[in-house]
Amino acid sequence: DTEVTQTPKHLVMGMTNKKSLKCEQHMGHRAMYWYKQKAKKPPELMFVYSYEKLSINESVPSRFSPECPNSSLLNLHLHALQPEDSALYLCASSQERAVYEQYFGPGTRLTVT
Amino acid sequence: GQQVMQIPQYQHVQEGEDFTTYCNSSTTLSNIQWYKQRPGGHPVFLIQLVKSGEVKKQKRLTFQFGEAKKNSSLHITATQTTDVGTYFCAGTNNLFFGTGTRLTVIP
Repeated sequence: DTEVTQTPKHLVMGMTNKKSLKCEQHMGHRAMYWYKQKAKKPPELMFVYSYEKLSINESVPSRFSPECPNSSLLNLHLHALQPEDSALYLCASSQERAVYEQYFGPGTRLTVT
Repeated sequence: GQQVMQIPQYQHVQEGEDFTTYCNSSTTLSNIQWYKQRPGGHPVFLIQLVKSGEVKKQKRLTFQFGEAKKNSSLHITATQTTDVGTYFCAGTNNLFFGTGTRLTVIP
């Protein structure tokens, strides 16, 4: 199984809502990542978890809160987002951090109204 | 901070023509990875280059890593409509993706 799954596929939320994005992999990978991708732009790294510990936080606003409950799951909790946070949120995993190929999920298309 | 630029930003080719995208980093890269993202899809890993001057081939795709490990290229021979998408390079130092080259293939 070389698949990374993400739910939901689409999400529309108001600026006062609280929602969560979920990501799951069963490849035994020990590194998991959250990226944000705006239209026609490259993915931008947000967070990296290595062995279930947060190892990189790329100066992301606190309205984004990551969580890694176990080695297979990665969540991104959203609160008080702004319209400019609308984007495709991609989850990825790799065998170890950085030097191995990343497997990306299909992403969650987020719209903040 | 580190910047990874790719040129060209867009490329339109007739099916059967060759295509090349170039990736240039402002700093030395430990390794470089290449990904392809189809329209409406997610990035898919193509290859990783590790050694200075390394050249790798995958069927019609040829990847090169520069001697100084600051640049890389992807060359596609005889493009097909299935090659359509955006090609990104990414340095593994800090997982910084390049700006991408969007390839359109005209049948």
